[in-house]
Amino acid sequence: GAVVSQHPSRVICKSGTSVKIECRSLDFQATTMFWYRQFPKQSLMLMATSNEGSKATYEQGVEKDKFLINHASLTLSTLTVTSAHPEDSSFYICSARPNRGGNIQYFGAGTRLSVL
Amino acid sequence: QKEVEQDPGPLSVPEGAIVSLNCTYSNSAFQYFMWYRQYSRKGPELLMYTYSSGNKEDGRFTAQVDKSSKYISLFIRDSQPSDSATYLCAMSGSGTYKYIFGTGTRLKVLA
Repeated sequence: GAVVSQHPSRVICKSGTSVKIECRSLDFQATTMFWYRQFPKQSLMLMATSNEGSKATYEQGVEKDKFLINHASLTLSTLTVTSAHPEDSSFYICSARPNRGGNIQYFGAGTRLSVL
Repeated sequence: QKEVEQDPGPLSVPEGAIVSLNCTYSNSAFQYFMWYRQYSRKGPELLMYTYSSGNKEDGRFTAQVDKSSKYISLFIRDSQPSDSATYLCAMSGSGTYKYIFGTGTRLKVLA
């Protein structure tokens, strides 16, 4: 149990286009999901906390208009990178916290974004 | 000073060795302590989850939390080449679901 599916795993796009990444909890409900960014050989950097039915909470320095988050159901959160530029190229990872309690996060497999 | 300190390694050990991975932290409010394993270009996989102090064992893995010293450890017994990965410690306080991660320790188990 506790599987988080993230799609797509890899995306290559042209500069100026928008990219949507989906994060689904497959066998549990998650009011709270998280979006992270990871640079090579570095740890995970929290970008935002996604809350079902309400606005996401962004970390300091993360552009809300650049990284749009929608958490429309208890099993799905999406991250849209708008007007992507080469500096947005990175590894994006989502996680989900089961509603059943505890403070555990289960992670998706990540999305590697390359902006040309 | 970072809230969570973790030696980045790399740590190289022979197959079958006991591996000790550690993190120190400065925030006494941390109550939840996690260890994740991350293979290259993959998402982190939960290995151990501990609330407050004490030891927890699961198969070849043992997690220890010493809140008085603000020090946590993960031990891997009978290490295998398939254990080669980056190990991340993560911590969280009561009243928040946000994690603070260590930088990760790269482990290489040599066959």
